[in-house]
Amino acid sequence: KNEVEQSPQNLTAQEGEFITINCSYSVGISALHWLQQHPGGGIVSLFMLSSGKKKHGRLIATINIQEKHSSLHITASHPRDSAVYICAVSGGGGSQGNLIFGKGTKLSVKP
Amino acid sequence: DAGVTQSPTHLIKTRGQQVTLRCSPKSGHDTVSWYQQALGQGPQFIFQYYEEEERQRGNFPDRFSGHQFPNYSSELNVNALLLGDSALYLCASSRGPWGEAFFGQGTRLTVV
Repeated sequence: KNEVEQSPQNLTAQEGEFITINCSYSVGISALHWLQQHPGGGIVSLFMLSSGKKKHGRLIATINIQEKHSSLHITASHPRDSAVYICAVSGGGGSQGNLIFGKGTKLSVKP
Repeated sequence: DAGVTQSPTHLIKTRGQQVTLRCSPKSGHDTVSWYQQALGQGPQFIFQYYEEEERQRGNFPDRFSGHQFPNYSSELNVNALLLGDSALYLCASSRGPWGEAFFGQGTRLTVV
């Protein structure tokens, strides 16, 4: 079983829809990261959080440490949000600072 | 601030050859981590460099080696390339081993 599990694996939405991507992890962590990867490879860090909730524009990330679960929400989705969203954790499983990644959620937002 | 820069962006090598990939960290960052991302998979940790030393290593063979220079830039070397080494190689830098990671655009390595 992977240490970081994401769901769904693929997601198609209509423009304007509210989107939720989930991440569960099985190791102790110091922080959880949400990352965005567009075709072509580059990864952009969206959030790094260790408790509670963070908001940036239309993006909201929450984490429940007790349940070892995090969600990434996108409000009023737009085609430019189409990308792979990756959950990663640090400080778990003896990682001591490196990241353990989930396999990603491929989001496609249709106009 | 140029952010994290990697070179080259694309590379084609033949089996058995050796390759060197380069990474310049974001200004103010002293830690560099390298990841391998196979097609359709999440990145896998290769190793992390801090204070010019390999601080931690993932489950990769000794064919994968690295170096960090006094200016905090880093190189990833892969010897005796295999077809399975074809992947996107990502570099991430941070302020200290526990800081928030910032990623480069990656180097796409194809081994033929």
